[in-house]
This record gives sequence, structure tokens and C-alpha cells, in this order.
Amino acid sequence: DAGITQSPRHKVTETGTPVTLRCHQTENHRYMYWYRQDPGHGLRLIHYSYGVKDTDKGEVSDGYSVSRSKTEDFLLTLESATSSQTSVYFCAISEEAHEQYFGPGTRLTVT
Amino acid sequence: GQQLNQSPQSMFIQEGEDVSMNCTSSSIFNTWLWYKQDPGEGPVLLIALYKAGELTSNGRLTAQFGITRKDSFLNISASIPSDVGIYFCAGQSLIQGAQKLVFGQGTRLTINP
Repeated sequence: DAGITQSPRHKVTETGTPVTLRCHQTENHRYMYWYRQDPGHGLRLIHYSYGVKDTDKGEVSDGYSVSRSKTEDFLLTLESATSSQTSVYFCAISEEAHEQYFGPGTRLTVT
Repeated sequence: GQQLNQSPQSMFIQEGEDVSMNCTSSSIFNTWLWYKQDPGEGPVLLIALYKAGELTSNGRLTAQFGITRKDSFLNISASIPSDVGIYFCAGQSLIQGAQKLVFGQGTRLTINP
């Protein structure tokens, strides 16, 4: 298995609070991605990174920000969580033109 | 946003039966991918297709990249209990070397022993 961990694995938070999810890799892959998975929508790309401090938006980026200060860590932040952000969040990594490997996911519930 | 249309949404079959699912898009993709997701885990790549018309097999799995580059199908032959899970198609675009994937809604496969 690719060395990808996500933390926390489960989180319950209240509307309006900030939340940060962490993705950590031990593979030294250049590209990292954040997705959310909701019933009926498959996985949708939130943000991705193509290098340290280099990030770009995906198709559902509103309400989310990311940071990548070192190769191994990619952080996803919800500045003020809303109930619509209740979801399962997956991190993925890849090398250029190679397959993406997915982490185990973080289940986030916003009450 | 962009989304692929994957069908069927769910399948209930008997062990040993063959399975077929497909994906269509209004956009052209240069690569089509098929993933499987088990409960509580992230998706795992099954098959990647890189050329229009390509037919690729991986054990009991066979997938094809449609000639128009807007569709793909996945077949599973002689299903077994470990085939249970959710199958996703994905179309890939390369942006600055990063793979931007657009996923279908998934096909949930249930097998009756």
C-alpha cells in the first residue's frame, strides 16, 4: 500500500468552527489531491498541489483552502464549517502521469 | 460541474454471473480509469485505458475505451464474493502534470452467494 495517512479519521464539529484535515505521505510524490465523496456524486476534486507551495482549485473549492509547506504534508482547511461540508474526504498522491493512490479517508460531520 | 454518467447505479447478482457497467461523458478524455472501493477505504485502481478503442484485461476484468473517447465500459466475468463493492469510472485530464479526475457516481455491486 502507498504510504498515505489521513488525520483525523473521524471528526464531529459544530457549524461555524474551523477544521483542518491532514494528509501525510511517505512516498515523496510530487502531486497531492483532496476529494470529497458524497452519495450520488462519486468523488469530486476540491484542490490539488503540483509542488511545495503550488496549489490550484478543483471543481468544488468554495469554502475550502489548502496549504503545502513541505512535500509530505497537504492540509485542507474549512475556515467556517457548514452542514453542507459533511462528507468523507479523501487525499490522493501521484507522480506525473502515473496513477493516483488514495488514502483511507476522513469522515467529517458538521452539526 | 463536469460529471460522468455511470450506469447502472446498483446491481444485485448471483455468484458466478457476469457483470457489465458503463460510463458516458459529454467531454472527451484522453484516459479512462476504473476504480473499486471497499467499505471504509479509498478507491483502488483496477484498469487504466490510454487509447481510443483500446480493450484491456486484468484477470476477470475487461474494460474498453470508447472510440469517440466519450465512453467506457467494464465487464467482470464469473463474479465472486470479493467483487462486492462500489465501482467508479473516471475520466482524466492532465493539468501541469497533475491528474485531474472526473468520477462517475459509482455502481454498487452486491452478490448473492
